Amino acid sequence: AQKITQTQPGMFVQEKEAVTLDCTYDTSDPSYGLFWYKQPSSGEMIFLIYQGSYDQQNATEGRYSLNFQKARKSANLVISASQLGDSAMYFCAMRVNNAGGTSYGKLTFGQGTILTVHP
Amino acid sequence: KAGVTQTPRYLIKTRGQQVTLSCSPISGHRSVSWYQQTPGQGLQFLFEYFSETQRNKGNFPGRFSGRQFSNSRSEMNVSTLELGDSALYLCASSYRDSPSYEQYFGPGTRLTVT
Repeated sequence: AQKITQTQPGMFVQEKEAVTLDCTYDTSDPSYGLFWYKQPSSGEMIFLIYQGSYDQQNATEGRYSLNFQKARKSANLVISASQLGDSAMYFCAMRVNNAGGTSYGKLTFGQGTILTVHP
Repeated sequence: KAGVTQTPRYLIKTRGQQVTLSCSPISGHRSVSWYQQTPGQGLQFLFEYFSETQRNKGNFPGRFSGRQFSNSRSEMNVSTLELGDSALYLCASSYRDSPSYEQYFGPGTRLTVT
């Protein structure tokens, strides 16, 4: 079974500063993908960034980067130069690729971290 | 490209009734997954459809069912509604079913059961 743990229920950051949101995961499958999603108060989940388990380099997408430490099973999200619009709930998620096919379409999510950006 | 659309956006039902939610994926996406989001349980996977076939199902009772049509649109149905079914139901579509293909979510349907 897969598990995602986000230990920070809430985080605060000043506008224009960087912030790191923690995520650890647990799986015995060697092939998997890690995702970060943002959920504003409107409810829609917005895809931010993806990291594959075999990727050698950390993923980056604009102001978002993923600090992937495979041995520690961690996939922390770093947001640089925070903006007021970054205030939202952030979810870390994982999808495994097992030969049995039981992974079809299934993302396993953490409990989320509420990020508040102060002006 | 238009994003994932879900209808209706809000729904109020009475315990014991049934409800059908609809999801239209992004054009060209063949995989559709459904999730239930509640404050207590977080985001939980319901089921996934690909080319009109249910390929995966989460740990939900049989009252929760779904289907997918030939145009990849999907519906989910909840029968004999319970108060605990009140939740945000999110639909997500993906071009392919490998882990490297991200899922794009719709705005959700907020179901309230009274």
